[in-house]
Amino acid sequence: GAVVSQHPSWVICKSGTSVKIECRSLDFQATTMFWYRQFPKQSLMLMATSNEGSKATYEQGVEKDKFLINHASLTLSTLTVTSAHPEDSSFYICSARDRISPLHFGNGTRLTVT
Amino acid sequence: GQNIDQPTEMTATEGAIVQINCTYQTSGFNGLFWYQQHAGEAPTFLSYNVLDGLEEKGRFSSFLSRSKGYSYLLLKELQMEDSASYLCAVRDYGDKIIFGKGTRLHILP
Repeated sequence: GAVVSQHPSWVICKSGTSVKIECRSLDFQATTMFWYRQFPKQSLMLMATSNEGSKATYEQGVEKDKFLINHASLTLSTLTVTSAHPEDSSFYICSARDRISPLHFGNGTRLTVT
Repeated sequence: GQNIDQPTEMTATEGAIVQINCTYQTSGFNGLFWYQQHAGEAPTFLSYNVLDGLEEKGRFSSFLSRSKGYSYLLLKELQMEDSASYLCAVRDYGDKIIFGKGTRLHILP
């Protein structure tokens, strides 16, 4: 089946630093990638939709200058959390699909900002 | 607006059957997904319904009624490892996939 690889699995960083999370589709070309955030015991909240070669579409309330998304190829999207703060600590999950497949998720990145 | 409702928590007994309901009101409809998520892990795909009716896959079945904006996930012969959150998600016309808040299912021995 389709595999989505997300890296790193977990990261601890200091407040004010930036963190980059990578999401790769390993065996299919992902026309669209989605970035979600999940706080403890809550559901997945869509942050942004990323299409290859174009600017990401951000959901209301998500700061595009803080959460930089780059979808440089059909197999790679990155999310950079800039100037991270403790309230950005969360579980970030990417997902990808081609035109017909269901959504396949990466294993997620647990970000802790100290 | 987008609204996806499912019960917050359910409890069932090992070996039994449980049905998790999901109702939705979205700006468009292009299919409904069910995902399973264990604590601390990413969701895993269970089912996808785009037409009305029942889709069966082993112990899990999913039903969709587009006219009623309603779906359910049916789990048979429950096992302890079925304890997880079950997420209902809808794909709208813009291809965006929106998730409900999830149903935490507790299985008792």
